[in-house]
Amino acid sequence: GENVEQHPSTLSVQEGDSAVIKCTYSDSASNYFPWYKQELGKGPQLIIDIRSNVGEKKDQRIAVTLNKTAKHFSLHITETQPEDSAVYFCAARNILTGGGNKLTFGTGTQLKVEL
Amino acid sequence: GAGVSQSPRYKVAKRGQDVALRCDPISGHVSLFWYQQALGQGPEFLTYFQNEAQLDKSGLPSDRFFAERPEGSVSTLKIQRTQQEDSAVYLCASSPRRTGETQYFGPGTRLLVL
Repeated sequence: GENVEQHPSTLSVQEGDSAVIKCTYSDSASNYFPWYKQELGKGPQLIIDIRSNVGEKKDQRIAVTLNKTAKHFSLHITETQPEDSAVYFCAARNILTGGGNKLTFGTGTQLKVEL
Repeated sequence: GAGVSQSPRYKVAKRGQDVALRCDPISGHVSLFWYQQALGQGPEFLTYFQNEAQLDKSGLPSDRFFAERPEGSVSTLKIQRTQQEDSAVYLCASSPRRTGETQYFGPGTRLLVL
């Protein structure tokens, strides 16, 4: 089955700096890669996603890059703000044999933006 | 508009007790997923519905876990004879796409089995 590895597990940056979180996946058939932000006591919130036919996608201060050959993708947050502090999860979508699909998540990155 | 809602938000059960967790997906969303999230870990897939059909239940840990979505909207995850290892946050997600892209998560139900 799919295995998604995520690094680093914790990341501390100064306000205004950039943050980068990296993930690798094992199943070359995976073709959809979302990123989620989870705040304490809440469910994961979709912040950006990318499909395998695209190499990069941006949304304001957030960008995601995908390298299909190397099977890795990264989340870039620029001009970090204290409200960016949360746990971030990457995920890869796998097609199930029964015709459905599922997301396989990484283990998460605790991002702390310090003033 | 309203997002995915789950109830109860917290549940304390004695070992051996049966529990039922409810998910109200976003109206009109065809796909519904259940995930289990252990403390400090990412969500792990349990089961998937497309409308009322349960297309995959390969992630359910044992036959004590059962999920249903009889009318293609609200879903219930039932755990029979709860064990301590069942303690986790149970997350529900829905998607407007049959492909499962763009999944929106509810706040989760935190289950503690004593």
